[in-house]
Amino acid sequence: QKEVEQNSGPLSVPEGAIASLNCTYSDRGSQSFFWYRQYSGKSPELIMFIYSNGDKEDGRFTAQLNKASQYVSLLIRDSQPSDSATYLCAVLGSNDYKLSFGAGTTVTVRA
Amino acid sequence: EPEVTQTPSHQVTQMGQEVILRCVPISNHLYFYWYRQILGQKVEFLVSFYNNEISEKSEIFDDQFSVERPDGSNFTLKIRSTKLEDSAMYFCASSEGAVINQPQHFGDGTRLSIL
Repeated sequence: QKEVEQNSGPLSVPEGAIASLNCTYSDRGSQSFFWYRQYSGKSPELIMFIYSNGDKEDGRFTAQLNKASQYVSLLIRDSQPSDSATYLCAVLGSNDYKLSFGAGTTVTVRA
Repeated sequence: EPEVTQTPSHQVTQMGQEVILRCVPISNHLYFYWYRQILGQKVEFLVSFYNNEISEKSEIFDDQFSVERPDGSNFTLKIRSTKLEDSAMYFCASSEGAVINQPQHFGDGTRLSIL
């Protein structure tokens, strides 16, 4: 059973602050890691993905991957009220096509 | 930007009835997927499909479920005899390939309510 664990939150941050989201995974052979944003009642929307150790930046978002620690994180800089959503960590396994999702971290950005 | 489209957005069905959920993947994508999300729970993988056959399926995807690509654009999920516990959001996704830098893109989902 491949497990993906996330801080359940909720995570409340003031507008303009950095939100930090964490995710760990059990399958050491996992190769690709994805962050999706899901507004209430809506579908997962891809924010970014990472597959090499280190940092990857896209606008206000930075994903960090440490395969040795089986850990991936997402930083949201200059948080905006529109960033208020549930953030899903998803992992693509080593020998399959399916994404394994974490339960998500709910982020609330206070204006 | 191209997107995955799903119809209907909401389907209400009596228990025991058959239901077909429809999806149009992004046109140049070759891999197709169905996921579901029961209210308040994780997104769960159901099935992946490539080259007109199932490439992987989960334990959830039992004999009551089937998928089909009836033409060059549509991808369908059929549930033969629905149960109350099939009530969920069903998401279709597609990807260009199945390699590490080709992410899956999700449609808006179909909310399935079984009465």
